[in-house]
Amino acid sequence: GENVEQHPSTLSVQEGDSAVIKCTYSDSASNYFPWYKQELGKRPQLIIDIRSNVGEKKDQRIAVTLNKTAKHFSLHITETQPEDSAVYFCAAIWDSGGGADGLTFGKGTHLIIQP
Amino acid sequence: DGGITQSPKYLFRKEGQNVTLSCEQNLNHDAMYWYRQDPGQGLRLIYYSQIVNDFQKGDIAEGYSVSREKKESFPLTVTSAQKNPTAFYLCASAPAGETDTQYFGPGTRLTVL
Repeated sequence: GENVEQHPSTLSVQEGDSAVIKCTYSDSASNYFPWYKQELGKRPQLIIDIRSNVGEKKDQRIAVTLNKTAKHFSLHITETQPEDSAVYFCAAIWDSGGGADGLTFGKGTHLIIQP
Repeated sequence: DGGITQSPKYLFRKEGQNVTLSCEQNLNHDAMYWYRQDPGQGLRLIYYSQIVNDFQKGDIAEGYSVSREKKESFPLTVTSAQKNPTAFYLCASAPAGETDTQYFGPGTRLTVL
């Protein structure tokens, strides 16, 4: 099955600086890579995703890059703000077109934005 | 994801008792999923269902059971066979044709005493 590794487990950055979280996956057949943000005690919220036919996707201060050859993808947050503090999870999935199995998640990165 | 509800928010049970967690969605989504989250860990897949009356085991199905009698409902039963049931349980759903884009419910925190 799929295995997703996520680094770092904790990331502390100064407000206004950029943050980068990296994930690697094992199954080359995986073709969908979402990122979720989870605040303490709450549900994970989808913040951005990328499919394997795209190398980069951007949504305001958030971007995701995908390197299929190396089997890794990264989340980039620019101009960080206090409300960006949360745990971020990457995930991978293989959708054959007949319906997707469940997501395989990384273990999460606790992002701390220092004022 | 406001159309996915889970109840109750907190649940306490004695060891050895079965307990059923509710998940309902009014989004007309075909696929539904159950995940378990432990402190400091990512989510792990328990069971999933892509269509009514059909479901598949995920990575950690032992000690759990599900049913999918209606499109909008996917209850999870935590049985006494589950060795360490205390966890945060999250239900998710996804629309047909986009079953990889999953949206989560608010979760149920189960504590077994």
